[in-house]
Amino acid sequence: SQQGEEDPQALSIQEGENATMNCSYKTSINNLQWYRQNSGRGLVHLILIRSNEREKHSGRLRVTLDTSKKSSSLLITASRAADTASYFCATADSNAGGTSYGKLTFGQGTILTVHP
Amino acid sequence: NAGVTQTPKFQVLKTGQSMTLQCAQDMNHEYMSWYRQDPGMGLRLIHYSVGAGITDQGEVPNGYNVSRSTTEDFPLRLLSAAPSQTSVYFCASSRGVGGEAFFGQGTRLTVV
Repeated sequence: SQQGEEDPQALSIQEGENATMNCSYKTSINNLQWYRQNSGRGLVHLILIRSNEREKHSGRLRVTLDTSKKSSSLLITASRAADTASYFCATADSNAGGTSYGKLTFGQGTILTVHP
Repeated sequence: NAGVTQTPKFQVLKTGQSMTLQCAQDMNHEYMSWYRQDPGMGLRLIHYSVGAGITDQGEVPNGYNVSRSTTEDFPLRLLSAAPSQTSVYFCASSRGVGGEAFFGQGTRLTVV
């Protein structure tokens, strides 16, 4: 079964606007990651946030993590047409001791379309 | 570095045929995995390996077999192809468990 549930399933915005995607998950995690997939291509890693972190930035990307709500959000600021892609969250499960099992479980993804 | 290389990129099989999807990485990563991606289903884990000689099942292992004789290679075998195995298959590797995953470009498989 899918660990991550992403919302919205599709998002359409204009260039320059911000895009926010949300991810919820069900079990304890070691970390949560966001990936991007351009049409017909493999996934590319964007950012990783550990379970003891609350916020992380990378360029125009901002990721938050709320482990009490088992949710994360990805914000892309000042979006560009080149940001058009599918975005996936993935969780690395952990055991009670916090060690990762290693398996990444992916959500269904959010399709982002940025119009020029 | 080439990263993660998958072959072939496209394949058409007849029901009942067997084949092997190849995956190789040149980053000396311990962890490798195979996913399938279907419309509306995201990526689902088929099998994974935490090192040479060690493999385990993921979420959807039935109909697939894997082995890991070297650190670099992690082939996925379809034993007797079925139309339900029509999908895009991705191989990925990472340095450690739960770390950043590097993906291949995918194999688009059609079973008729």
